[in-house]
Amino acid sequence: GQNIDQPTEMTATEGAIVQINCTYQTSGFNGLFWYQQHAGEAPTFLSYNVLDGLEEKGRFSSFLSRSKGYSYLLLKELQMKDSASYLCATLSGTYKYIFGTGTRLKVLA
Amino acid sequence: GAVVSQHPSRVICKSGTSVKIECRSLDFQATTMFWYRQFPKQSLMLMATSNEGSKATYEQGVEKDKFLINHASLTLSTLTVTSAHPEDSSFYICSARTSGGPYEQYFGPGTRLTVT
Repeated sequence: GQNIDQPTEMTATEGAIVQINCTYQTSGFNGLFWYQQHAGEAPTFLSYNVLDGLEEKGRFSSFLSRSKGYSYLLLKELQMKDSASYLCATLSGTYKYIFGTGTRLKVLA
Repeated sequence: GAVVSQHPSRVICKSGTSVKIECRSLDFQATTMFWYRQFPKQSLMLMATSNEGSKATYEQGVEKDKFLINHASLTLSTLTVTSAHPEDSSFYICSARTSGGPYEQYFGPGTRLTVT
């Protein structure tokens, strides 16, 4: 079947580092996406991993292990504006995107 | 680049009426467009996938006669919610993608539908 799990909520302090984990079971796996979504807004693209390893993009990094069905999003030097939901999504085949329920991150001053 | 617009941003309609939502890719040709629905504090649920000039492919459990999708051009797709009911109230989001990889989809800003 198709399934994605990620924690419901996380809290971290401004300036800290936080890691949001995502595990998945996706047939025809063709990559994993991370999106940021502020309340009432559409998701914005953060990263795409299709091969194993770490992709770094500024304060955000994303890691993928296909053999373990596991990914994480690492946010460094947290800022208040990083408070949002972070969605893990997989692509099955060419067209089927499956989203996790999202992790609501709260950044405290 | 890669901007997707959606109109209207908010709509309130009476039960039994129909509502049309437009999704446009402004600066690229979208060979494929996706329609999602998101209920409060829940994740995005894919409703259907449409390729330009073809009939939409609906996900299991989504009524194709109720949610009419038209993708008549490479820059425009429409979703019509027919005979809307209060349970159809939700946040509807479209996304668009070009052909080939890397399969990144660009999201529109969403439409908040409230059926009274």
